[in-house]
Amino acid sequence: AQKVTQAQTEISVVEKEDVTLDCVYETRDTTYYLFWYKQPPSGELVFLIRRNSFDEQNEISGRYSWNFQKSTSSFNFTITASQVVDSAVYFCALSEEGRGSTLGRLYFGRGTQLTVWP
Amino acid sequence: EAGVAQSPRYKIIEKRQSVAFWCNPISGHATLYWYQQILGQGPKLLIQFQNNGVVDDSQLPKDRFSAERLKGVDSTLKIQPAKLEDSAVYLCASSNGLAGAYNEQFFGPGTRLTVL
Repeated sequence: AQKVTQAQTEISVVEKEDVTLDCVYETRDTTYYLFWYKQPPSGELVFLIRRNSFDEQNEISGRYSWNFQKSTSSFNFTITASQVVDSAVYFCALSEEGRGSTLGRLYFGRGTQLTVWP
Repeated sequence: EAGVAQSPRYKIIEKRQSVAFWCNPISGHATLYWYQQILGQGPKLLIQFQNNGVVDDSQLPKDRFSAERLKGVDSTLKIQPAKLEDSAVYLCASSNGLAGAYNEQFFGPGTRLTVL
């Protein structure tokens, strides 16, 4: 079973539009961490954010914001006033800390290709 | 601070040939990971090292893939013999400290392998 689901394969927006990337996860562990990574055309994955399972506070960093809801097992990512430089593939990932889990192992979703047009 | 280095960046081989990839993690990072990213998919963990010991290699196809990190620093991943379905980007990542779910992983640029 897929531990992380990113249902949106591709999204296209025009510059300055807001866009939300969805992420749904599945785990039986009570302690876990959720991550978002950005993969620009150069290929290198860039860390954006990490949240632990006990902290449901939403976070805002500049034009980026994240909404973590345990009730729906979702960790969605919103870019406000998108820019062309935001064009990339965005990955949501899960890391578990339960007994039997491999500490540090990241389970990635399939990614969402975001294209921002000028 | 230098990032994770990988070489080569690109490799084209024919099926049944052998290939090796090299990774040098960020200095001082104890944990090293190799991921396989097939086109259109997210990275999938192949093997995880902590210093020079293997933490998890459950997803490594051991009949053809091997990896080592002899001195607990740089690492090599080998495929012998390669199959068409091995065409992918091979990403190396490292993290500070001991393996942990909390750890941020820093990724290298990857090696794009094409098997013809």
